[in-house]
Amino acid sequence: AQKITQTQPGMFVQEKEAVTLDCTYDTSDPSYGLFWYKQPSSGEMIFLIYQGSYDQQNATEGRYSLNFQKARKSANLVISASQLGDSAMYFCAMRDPLGTGNQFYFGTGTSLTVIP
Amino acid sequence: DTAVSQTPKYLVTQMGNDKSIKCEQNLGHDTMYWYKQDSKKFLKIMFSYNNKELIINETVPNRFSPKSPDKAHLNLHINSLELGDSAVYFCASSQVDRTNSPLHFGNGTRLTVT
Repeated sequence: AQKITQTQPGMFVQEKEAVTLDCTYDTSDPSYGLFWYKQPSSGEMIFLIYQGSYDQQNATEGRYSLNFQKARKSANLVISASQLGDSAMYFCAMRDPLGTGNQFYFGTGTSLTVIP
Repeated sequence: DTAVSQTPKYLVTQMGNDKSIKCEQNLGHDTMYWYKQDSKKFLKIMFSYNNKELIINETVPNRFSPKSPDKAHLNLHINSLELGDSAVYFCASSQVDRTNSPLHFGNGTRLTVT
């Protein structure tokens, strides 16, 4: 069963606008962690932001924020004031302690293009 | 610098050859992973080692063999390379007992089998 679902293969956003990248997840464990990663065209995987299942507030890191809706099992990434350097693949991931080996499950990614 | 480092960055080889990719982390993490990223960018877990013990061994051909001499190193050896093995291979590490510990990735090894 798919643990992480990212339904937007590609997204476009105008420079300086905000964009939301969708992520839904599936787990029966009450304790889990959600992560977002950025993969620019150079290929490295960059950790952006973390949200714990028990966190009361949505996580924020600079221009990145997480719209965490636990009941809906969604953890959407919001990028404010988009910049050209934000053009990249974005992956949502979940750490599920109940899963084998405490592994991380990744979504299929969303390719974001920022238009000048 | 503290990091996950893997070598080589690029690996071009012919079918049938044997090759290795090395990975080292100096973050003090207790768990290391190998992920394969295919041409569609999908990331698939291959192996996970916790304190040198194999924890995850997903459906990966026997030609792939991980080796962890200590908890800071996890190498990947591939025998009899096939065209379908062409991909980017990422090493990563994390601390299992901290839920908020993200995966720290190496820069990847782009393997091309001709």
